[in-house]
Amino acid sequence: QVQLQESGPGVVKPSETLSLTCTVSGGSIRTYYWSWIRQPPGKGLEWIGYMYYSGTTNYNPSLKSRVTISIDTSKNQLSLKLSSVTTADTALYYCARHLVGAIEADSWGRGTLVTVSS
Amino acid sequence: DIVMTQTPLSLSVAPGQPASISCQSSQSLLYSDGRTFLFWYLQKPGQSPQLLMSEVSRRFSGVPDRFSGSGSGTDFTLKISRVEAEDVGIYYCMQGIRLPITFGQGTRLDLK
Repeated sequence: QVQLQESGPGVVKPSETLSLTCTVSGGSIRTYYWSWIRQPPGKGLEWIGYMYYSGTTNYNPSLKSRVTISIDTSKNQLSLKLSSVTTADTALYYCARHLVGAIEADSWGRGTLVTVSS
Repeated sequence: DIVMTQTPLSLSVAPGQPASISCQSSQSLLYSDGRTFLFWYLQKPGQSPQLLMSEVSRRFSGVPDRFSGSGSGTDFTLKISRVEAEDVGIYYCMQGIRLPITFGQGTRLDLK
């Protein structure tokens, strides 16, 4: 049973870079595609982007200029960096797993809340 | 981007009664191979979203058969034949035919 655990600083200052990690346990990160998805408080879901360990990535055009997703296979971890954050980036950030060939995420982490505030 | 529109935005249903949620996409979700890339998620209170339905009508592992999905092209429906307490939460439709992946705004289901 693959489990996903997001982690990162709970607060980030405006204009700085948000950095999050998702640790995958119970399975290899090489086996699946991985997404980051976020949810502002009380609002809906926004897909940020996905990555495969081979290096294939795809980002939401609305965030593409500020986003980097990467994978460290040695640590079985997925990472997200979002630069030049504003208060609009305050959200619960989820990592999620996709079976290879599947666009839908079939397993999600519990999420980590990031607040952008000075 | 493909816009996903759900109706209603909230729903109050007595236990044992049916419920229905609609989702409309701004473009057809029918792919050239015959598959339709419409999915449903349920986010229970305090939890992360969980996959309910793939490609319109295929229930994900462990999803009770009181849930059913239907529709084609741009119009889709999720039905619950008899609502139970564990069905409370926010339901989202999602399209995956074209990146970026987009979600509906969500439909909140609670018990009457």
